[in-house]
Amino acid sequence: GAGVSQSPRYKVAKRGQDVALRCDPISGHVSLFWYQQALGQGPEFLTYFQNEAQLDKSGLPSDRFFAERPEGSVSTLKIQRTQQEDSAVYLCASSLSRGPYEQYFGPGTRLTVT
Amino acid sequence: RKEVEQDPGPFNVPEGATVAFNCTYSNSASQSFFWYRQDCRKEPKLLMSVYSSGNEDGRFTAQLNRASQYISLLIRDSKLSDSATYLCVWSTGGDYKLSFGAGTTVTVRA
Repeated sequence: GAGVSQSPRYKVAKRGQDVALRCDPISGHVSLFWYQQALGQGPEFLTYFQNEAQLDKSGLPSDRFFAERPEGSVSTLKIQRTQQEDSAVYLCASSLSRGPYEQYFGPGTRLTVT
Repeated sequence: RKEVEQDPGPFNVPEGATVAFNCTYSNSASQSFFWYRQDCRKEPKLLMSVYSSGNEDGRFTAQLNRASQYISLLIRDSKLSDSATYLCVWSTGGDYKLSFGAGTTVTVRA
């Protein structure tokens, strides 16, 4: 079946622009996660949804970052007034449910802020 | 001290060789452990979970030592296709939030 998809795959933004990154999880997956991966580093947790509820947003680096999943399926990560330090790959993952279930990752969106 | 220390490598080994590397962690509250594999410019994929008793999956063997707070991965009979970055991963916080090491790069040469 279809895996996790993300769009756009690549995004170049000028400093100060707002961007929106989309994630389509695997159908039926309750849990959805966003991670940020800087070059040469492992992914860092940003936020977690169970259905439409955002249960953990402890990893969001600043109030410029906002995520939503209004209908419990597709999710959008929005970054306002982008800064150069926001340049990274943003990975979305989904899993069947909360708990020790495998998280399936999408291909990521590579954001470059110039 | 970083929450996890992972030897970045690179480990450059010939086909057929055995390669092993560790990952040490400092958070004793860590609950579950995994190895993920990430190919260049691709997404991470689960390689295997890690159990205290040790577990094997084909040519891959993973070990967890809670007393010394490290996990290990051993790859036997390396193949060219094993070339990747191997991420040490653990979960805390209700067993859903994954934390990743920076990765160990393995390159298998012909």
